Amino acid sequence: GNSVTQMEGPVTLSEEAFLTINCTYTATGYPSLFWYVQYPGEGLQLLLKATKADDKGSNKGFEATYRKETTSFHLEKGSVQVSDSAVYFCALRAGSARQLTFGSGTQLTVLP
Amino acid sequence: EAQVTQNPRYLITVTGKKLTVTCSQNMNHEYMSWYRQDPGLGLRQIYYSMNVEVTDKGDVPEGYKVSRKEKRNFPLILESPSPNQTSLYFCASSSPDRETQYFGPGTRLLVL
Repeated sequence: GNSVTQMEGPVTLSEEAFLTINCTYTATGYPSLFWYVQYPGEGLQLLLKATKADDKGSNKGFEATYRKETTSFHLEKGSVQVSDSAVYFCALRAGSARQLTFGSGTQLTVLP
Repeated sequence: EAQVTQNPRYLITVTGKKLTVTCSQNMNHEYMSWYRQDPGLGLRQIYYSMNVEVTDKGDVPEGYKVSRKEKRNFPLILESPSPNQTSLYFCASSSPDRETQYFGPGTRLLVL
């Protein structure tokens, strides 16, 4: 079956530090890959996506590259801000399905 | 404004007392789903609906019911809640191209 594995949290960084959150997946075929973000007290929002190998999704300074050879979709940001504090979820959608398979989420806290 | 709304946002109930969590979307989306979020487990799909009067089980459907009588509404019903259904619940709808899911703000349920 399909699965997503994210690095364990929580992650605590100082403002302007470099962020990497690792995500690897198992899926049949060629899934679409997503990062969703959940700010405190809110629902999930789509942060970025990539639909085929070597695609790079980007938004709000965050980036992730779809690496088929390593089945990975790591999230990066060069300089985090306090406002980036949230829970980040990696997810995949396999083939023509609409269902998303989520990782367990990674809590990020950025200190001023 | 495109949105998914849920009510109530917070609910405390007792074992066995039937409850309904409402969900409504204003984007005319055909696909809607319910997830529960538990620490360390990410989001798991409970039920989904491809369109009016078309519903199917997700990964963790036991103890839940849904209905889809209108396109915009997708209520989640717990006929006899139990403490293991204490969780954070999210309703979501999917864009027609399947690439984006829009989440409601969440309903935090405590079953005593």
